[in-house]
Amino acid sequence: GNSVTQMEGPVTLSEEAFLTINCTYTATGYPSLFWYVQYPGEGLQLLLKATKADDKGSNKGFEATYRKETTSFHLEKGSVQVSDSAVYFCALSEGGRGSNYKLTFGKGTLLTVNP
Amino acid sequence: NAGVTQTPKFRILKIGQSMTLQCTQDMNHNYMYWYRQDPGMGLKLIYYSVGAGITDKGEVPNGYNVSRSTTEDFPLRLELAAPSQTSVYFCASSSLDRVNREKLFFGSGTQLSVL
Repeated sequence: GNSVTQMEGPVTLSEEAFLTINCTYTATGYPSLFWYVQYPGEGLQLLLKATKADDKGSNKGFEATYRKETTSFHLEKGSVQVSDSAVYFCALSEGGRGSNYKLTFGKGTLLTVNP
Repeated sequence: NAGVTQTPKFRILKIGQSMTLQCTQDMNHNYMYWYRQDPGMGLKLIYYSVGAGITDKGEVPNGYNVSRSTTEDFPLRLELAAPSQTSVYFCASSSLDRVNREKLFFGSGTQLSVL
């Protein structure tokens, strides 16, 4: 079946540091890939997505590139802020014809950014 | 903008008790989902629905039931609560539109403890 593996957290950075959170996946066919973010006390919300190989998703200074050859979708940001402190989830969709587009989530990575 | 509303936010149950977690959305979304989030384990899909009157099992349906009598509401029922059901429960919805089908909108969650 489909699966998503994220780097273990927690990750603690100083403000303006560079962020990378690794994500690799296993899937049959050609899934779409996503990063969701969960701020404290809230539900998850979509951060960015990519639907085919070599696509780059970007939002709020974050970006991730769909790498089919390495089955990866690593999240990066050049300069993190305290407000980026949250849990980040990598996910994939089954997609495909007739699918209801259920998502498979990774375990999440807690990011804490200190001033 | 209410979005996805879940009630209650917190609940403590005794083993063997029953309860219903309520979920309602005001975005006219066809798809609705129930996930549980266990610490360090990411999100697991319990049940989902592709429209009123249609429900199907997800990855971890045992011990739960759902119904979808209207587009707006998707309650989750626990009949005989067990300690293994201690978790945070998230309801989510998404549109039928092909482009946005995988953009899930999440409620803020219900923290349930079974003692």
